[in-house]
Amino acid sequence: SAVISQKPSRDICQRGTSLTIQCQVDSQVTMMFWYRQQPGQSLTLIATANQGSEATYESGFVIDKFPISRPNLTFSTLTVSNMSPEDSSIYLCSVDSIYNEQFFGPGTRLTVL
Amino acid sequence: GNSVTQMEGPVTLSEEAFLTINCTYTATGYPSLFWYVQYPGEGLQLLLKATKADDKGSNKGFEATYRKETTSFHLEKGSVQVSDSAVYFCALSGGQGAQKLVFGQGTRLTINP
Repeated sequence: SAVISQKPSRDICQRGTSLTIQCQVDSQVTMMFWYRQQPGQSLTLIATANQGSEATYESGFVIDKFPISRPNLTFSTLTVSNMSPEDSSIYLCSVDSIYNEQFFGPGTRLTVL
Repeated sequence: GNSVTQMEGPVTLSEEAFLTINCTYTATGYPSLFWYVQYPGEGLQLLLKATKADDKGSNKGFEATYRKETTSFHLEKGSVQVSDSAVYFCALSGGQGAQKLVFGQGTRLTINP
């Protein structure tokens, strides 16, 4: 399975600011995904990060709020913009393997005050 | 669209008890089914999977069988241990949803010694 790292592992931010989360994979992968896990809740897909093109966003998520970059096959970033306390969540990136399995990074725990 | 429904938790059992966590799904096409586990303070780990009807996924003493006729993928373990205490998520991908994972709401399991 792929080894996935995320930075930062956690952060506490002020409302109105933005935070960029990095996801690094130890091998080239085609599909990378960003999920949100709100406190005590399940995971919800934010978007699919496509290499060389714009990300594909799920219903309820927009590029202005969650801009995503995917400059190569091993790296992606998710920015949470103009944050509010409702954005306090764990943000996870995942990658798809050739066996149709997804592996997850350790997550970034974000608290917005 | 695709959806997953898990039995509500939390579930509390004694060590060596038999475990069943129910999971049913709604999907068009032929999805793959997964169980993920999230141990306290850790990220999501893939526990087991099944990719077609009547497949049985197994790992660490856990099993789940893909039942197309009942659209179910119940997780079972014959004798649980304290170390199995975690949150368990049922998920699906595929069908018309491509590789996107759709998660159930999660079931928190606590095993008492």
